[in-house]
Amino acid sequence: DQQVKQNSPSLSVQEGRISILNCDYTNSMFDYFLWYKKYPAEGPTFLISISSIKDKNEDGRFTVFLNKSAKHLSLHIVPSQPGDSAVYFCAARPTGSARQLTFGSGTQLTVLP
Amino acid sequence: GAGVSQSPSNKVTEKGKDVELRCDPISGHTALYWYRQSLGQGLEFLIYFQGNSAPDKSGLPSDRFSAERTGGSVSTLTIQRTQQEDSAVYLCASSSLGSDTQYFGPGTRLTVL
Repeated sequence: DQQVKQNSPSLSVQEGRISILNCDYTNSMFDYFLWYKKYPAEGPTFLISISSIKDKNEDGRFTVFLNKSAKHLSLHIVPSQPGDSAVYFCAARPTGSARQLTFGSGTQLTVLP
Repeated sequence: GAGVSQSPSNKVTEKGKDVELRCDPISGHTALYWYRQSLGQGLEFLIYFQGNSAPDKSGLPSDRFSAERTGGSVSTLTIQRTQQEDSAVYLCASSSLGSDTQYFGPGTRLTVL
């Protein structure tokens, strides 16, 4: 039972355009969401996060949107750059004392020059 | 050190052997997590240490898996009698008290022949 789903295993966009990565979740107890980026042979790197009390968080070229009613979040990267090519994971943490993250299966983003 | 470090970076072992994987968290981080990523999958939570509290072992897949954290710092994940399905990248992460952002090491790629 996948509680965090990334239904697109891959995405290709042109340099300079917007990249939109999507993530859906089923557990209504999740109240904190994160996006991580992973290059081959490296560990995931934290990108941006959002609390369930917000619907948008922006950091430079990266913006995360949260739609609680739809249990959906998305990561927007604009403008996309070739160095953004990586696997992007969304992750969620439930309210309460449990701190471990539940991850989606990842989306491979390729930004074409 | 500046980040989370893990050793070895690669480990090849024969089925039935025991292996030990090591994690050095970021200095001062009180929480330490182990995850694993099988081929084409997202990260799967294994175990979580927070300070001197009893660890959350709810993600360990079988009793062949165990972990300890000595002195509130370095952690060792031990897999006994390894099986081929144990082949994966084992990732360690740490976070500071009260923070939801986890910082990952580069991982140990375990291959069981």
